[in-house]
Amino acid sequence: NAGVTQTPKFQVLKTGQSMTLQCAQDMNHNSMYWYRQDPGMGLRLIYYSASEGTTDKGEVPNGYNVSRLNKREFSLRLESAAPSQTSVYFCASSRDRDQETQYFGPGTRLLVL
Amino acid sequence: QKEVEQNSGPLSVPEGAIASLNCTYSDRGSQSFFWYRQYSGKSPELIMFIYSNGDKEDGRFTAQLNKASQYVSLLIRDSQPSDSATYLCAVRDSARQLTFGSGTQLTVLP
Repeated sequence: NAGVTQTPKFQVLKTGQSMTLQCAQDMNHNSMYWYRQDPGMGLRLIYYSASEGTTDKGEVPNGYNVSRLNKREFSLRLESAAPSQTSVYFCASSRDRDQETQYFGPGTRLLVL
Repeated sequence: QKEVEQNSGPLSVPEGAIASLNCTYSDRGSQSFFWYRQYSGKSPELIMFIYSNGDKEDGRFTAQLNKASQYVSLLIRDSQPSDSATYLCAVRDSARQLTFGSGTQLTVLP
């Protein structure tokens, strides 16, 4: 039982390049989330998926797209990376949106030059 | 803009002391309140949640909620060096969105 896994762990991109961050959970959770965390700031929600087949914008969705591939997997895509997207990205999951516990993955550190 | 405010610290306490971490929030319709612990370079992990006014205790941790004052706190009794981490306050607002504070860095000195 791995919980929430994320790939890659670390990535360096040049401005304008694209990439997809992968997230998978093996807890049979319905809801999944993508956050970014910047120094001195809390976690900010980018997008979430309340259940398979649905996605919704969070607080900071601009420059990102998501896909809920199936119940297990939720990917985050940067179509044209910008230096402002340099951050640590966390994926999380919960049984549903009202469950009190969100379980976080180990994070992906992204540097955009 | 719904806000969750925390003192960024750093907060230093000696081993064995009580550490007090505070958080205020702006959305009066908020219903659920959470404390996460995040070690340096690691992901956040939930340590407590509280829904009702008053105190909730779990081992050495006590969460306190005052909805009238829009204030939630976390007390850590008998602080240990292993408690050194950043503590994130999170609030689920009336739209069921979880908003995090920027965190308070706690250092427990041996």
